Amino acid sequence: GQSLEQPSEVTAVEGAIVQINCTYQTSGFYGLSWYQQHDGGAPTFLSYNALDGLEETGRFSSFLSRSDSYGYLLLQELQMKDSASYFCAVRYTNAGKSTFGDGTTLTVKP
Amino acid sequence: EAGVAQSPRYKIIEKRQSVAFWCNPISGHATLYWYQQILGQGPKLLIQFQNNGVVDDSQLPKDRFSAERLKGVDSTLKIQPAKLEDSAVYLCASSRTGGIEAFFGQGTRLTVV
Repeated sequence: GQSLEQPSEVTAVEGAIVQINCTYQTSGFYGLSWYQQHDGGAPTFLSYNALDGLEETGRFSSFLSRSDSYGYLLLQELQMKDSASYFCAVRYTNAGKSTFGDGTTLTVKP
Repeated sequence: EAGVAQSPRYKIIEKRQSVAFWCNPISGHATLYWYQQILGQGPKLLIQFQNNGVVDDSQLPKDRFSAERLKGVDSTLKIQPAKLEDSAVYLCASSRTGGIEAFFGQGTRLTVV
């Protein structure tokens, strides 16, 4: 099946910037999404990239390079509440189905 | 608008028993997904509905799992008989047709003992 690679854990301090990378298999790629999931909570949508470049939404930005089969989520001005798991998800068709990575657990320390 | 509703929130059953989960998607969302999320892993798609038709059930273990969405709104996912490895959170999500964003429910945490 399709596989995605992202780091399992990242730790950073409050106020810092952190980048979470995601690499994916190219075959049939349509777009890359990012979701946030707090412990015991539901995944919530953060961003989506279908074209190369940077998408900015407040403190969060997401980048995509289709030629490198690579994307990243950039979190700026980290806050304690940003401690959560972050999943990249590849959309392989326009029908909506996405394949999720295993997530990156972000721990923000004071 | 109301979010995706799921019930129950928690369920503990013994292996070989059966269990059913219910999902009510966001009003107007024609696409409905069931995901299985094992601890420490990402959500894995089990089945995708478009209205009351199945779009993708390639990863659904059909010998024990079944799902239906008879009227194109609510959906039920059933496991019969359950195995220990079915212990996971079962997430329901919905989206508009072709929508980029999937809206997830809180999930049902299933423990099989």
